Amino acid sequence: EVQLVESGGRLVQPGGSLRLSCVASGFTFSRHDMHWVRQPIGKGLEWVSAIGTAGDTYYAASVKGRFTISREDVKNSLYLQINNLRAEDTAMYYCARVSHSIYVLDVWGQGTTVTVSS
Amino acid sequence: DIQMTQSPSSLSASVGDRVTITCRASQGISSSIAWYQQKPGKAPKLLYSVYRLESGVPSRFSGSGSGTDYTFTISSLQPEDCGTYYCQQFYSTPHLSFGGGTKVEIK
Repeated sequence: EVQLVESGGRLVQPGGSLRLSCVASGFTFSRHDMHWVRQPIGKGLEWVSAIGTAGDTYYAASVKGRFTISREDVKNSLYLQINNLRAEDTAMYYCARVSHSIYVLDVWGQGTTVTVSS
Repeated sequence: DIQMTQSPSSLSASVGDRVTITCRASQGISSSIAWYQQKPGKAPKLLYSVYRLESGVPSRFSGSGSGTDYTFTISSLQPEDCGTYYCQQFYSTPHLSFGGGTKVEIK
């Protein structure tokens, strides 16, 4: 079964740091671009970051300089390092796989919740 | 960045009704658009992209459009179609952007 499982979300104080993980199974992880998408509770989806199969990285303007995406293909794992957390980073964070055929997100994890509060 | 403006933000319709959701891009995106359905407490699910339905998605769902204007249609609304629908452009790959969502409810 093709699956993505996120972890690492928790309650963090403003200014703190966090690393989210996403473990893939059921497909050849190294052959797919991967993304992070977040969703504040009760609000819409926001694209956060992407990483290509060659390790090239991309970020939304709202997170550039604070977020770092990375991957470890030998461990079938995707990561998101989040530094200097702000209240507006509070959200459910999803990892998602890019389809082979066209650039859409065809497999999503169940999400992990990040809450930034003092 | 490409902005996606989705409308309406919510709608209520009866079972069997035809439902249409619209997305307008801030620039032409050459049909590089996908549509997702999200149910409460669940991750989004890819339904449709370019001109094809994902495997297992009922044929009552369809998409159309060109340039900056796109529509997603449910030809005969069913109770299981309740949820929030999002458009997403992939013209400016890998920088993606989503519409604000349309919450679909049954009257």
